[in-house]
Amino acid sequence: NAGVTQTPKFRVLKTGQSMTLLCAQDMNHEYMYWYRQDPGMGLRLIHYSVGEGTTAKGEVPDGYNVSRLKKQNFLLGLESAAPSQTSVYFCASSYSTVLHYGYTFGSGTRLTVV
Amino acid sequence: DQQVKQNSPSLSVQEGRISILNCDYTNSMFDYFLWYKKYPAEGPTFLISISSIKDKNEDGRFTVFLNKSAKHLSLHIVPSQPGDSAVYFCAASVENTGNQFYFGTGTSLTVIP
Repeated sequence: NAGVTQTPKFRVLKTGQSMTLLCAQDMNHEYMYWYRQDPGMGLRLIHYSVGEGTTAKGEVPDGYNVSRLKKQNFLLGLESAAPSQTSVYFCASSYSTVLHYGYTFGSGTRLTVV
Repeated sequence: DQQVKQNSPSLSVQEGRISILNCDYTNSMFDYFLWYKKYPAEGPTFLISISSIKDKNEDGRFTVFLNKSAKHLSLHIVPSQPGDSAVYFCAASVENTGNQFYFGTGTSLTVIP
């Protein structure tokens, strides 16, 4: 049982390049999320999805796009990377009733934009 | 502006003693509060939760207290063990908003053997 799997684990991009981060979960969770973690800022929600084919903006959505074509996958895209997007990105998933189980997080993707 | 704050970046406690981690929030609409534990190079893992209809929730060595009037919650770990050394995040959400949680900046707990 893999839980939440993020690929890649590390990536270095040049400014202006694009990339897609992949998140896959095998727990049949309805909800999926992308967070970024920066020093002194905690985790901030970028985008989230409450079901297949749906997406919504979180706290810091600018510069990112997402897609959820299949229930088990949630993709995060950077169209034109900027140094301000250097961060650790975490994907998470949950049932709709989150109180008793919380989110299940992936192990993170460390992205550096130079 | 940070809606969930953890004002202590770090805490050191002797093994066997109590660890108290604090969290303050500004949004009185928050209904759900979760605590997560994070080891280096891993994602956060869910620890314990509380809803605004309660003021206390226990799970083994972990107890979370909620003081709604003060907009404050705390996590108590008794007794503390070296394996508890990690970064602890509190998070808060408003019901029916797609489970969007706002996270604090984390407190790094070190339990000294």
